[in-house]
Amino acid sequence: GENVEQHPSTLSVQEGDSAVIKCTYSDSASNYFPWYKQELGKGPQLIIDIRSNVGEKKDQRIAVTLNKTAKHFSLHITETQPEDSAVYFCAATMNTGFQKLVFGTGTRLLVSP
Amino acid sequence: NAGVMQNPRHLVRRRGQEARLRCSPMKGHSHVYWYRQLPEEGLKFMVYLQKENIIDESGMPKERFSAEFPKEGPSILRIQQVVRGDSAAYFCASSPSPNEQFFGPGTRLTVL
Repeated sequence: GENVEQHPSTLSVQEGDSAVIKCTYSDSASNYFPWYKQELGKGPQLIIDIRSNVGEKKDQRIAVTLNKTAKHFSLHITETQPEDSAVYFCAATMNTGFQKLVFGTGTRLLVSP
Repeated sequence: NAGVMQNPRHLVRRRGQEARLRCSPMKGHSHVYWYRQLPEEGLKFMVYLQKENIIDESGMPKERFSAEFPKEGPSILRIQQVVRGDSAAYFCASSPSPNEQFFGPGTRLTVL
């Protein structure tokens, strides 16, 4: 089955810096890769996703890149703000009728003012 | 449109008791997923249901755990004879189609 690894486990940056979180997946059949932000005591919130027919996707300060050959995908946050502080999870799945998401272990991002 | 609702938000049970976790999907959503999150870990898929049907329960332990999504009412995740290892956060997610899951706030189960 699918296995997703995520690095780093913690990331501390200064406000205004960029943050990059990387994930690798094992199943070449996976074709959908969402990223979730989880704040303390809350459920995961989808922030951006990418499908395997696309190499990059941007949404304001957030971007995701996908390298299908290497089975890597990354989350890029530019101009970080203190409210970006949270735990970020990557996930992967095959869209075979439903999404059985396999999550990474999470990255705790701390943005210091 | 209210988001996915889960109750209770916190549940404390003693070993051997039953735990019932409820999930009300967003209006118009007929697909429900349940995930379990252990401390400092990612979410693990447990079960996927459509109205009145269990589609995939491959992530759910064979014993003591069951799930349902009746025609009327919320989806229920039931854990019988809880043990300390069941302590975790349980999240449900709903979807209007098999794509794009919207997560609820979770139920944090503590087994004493």
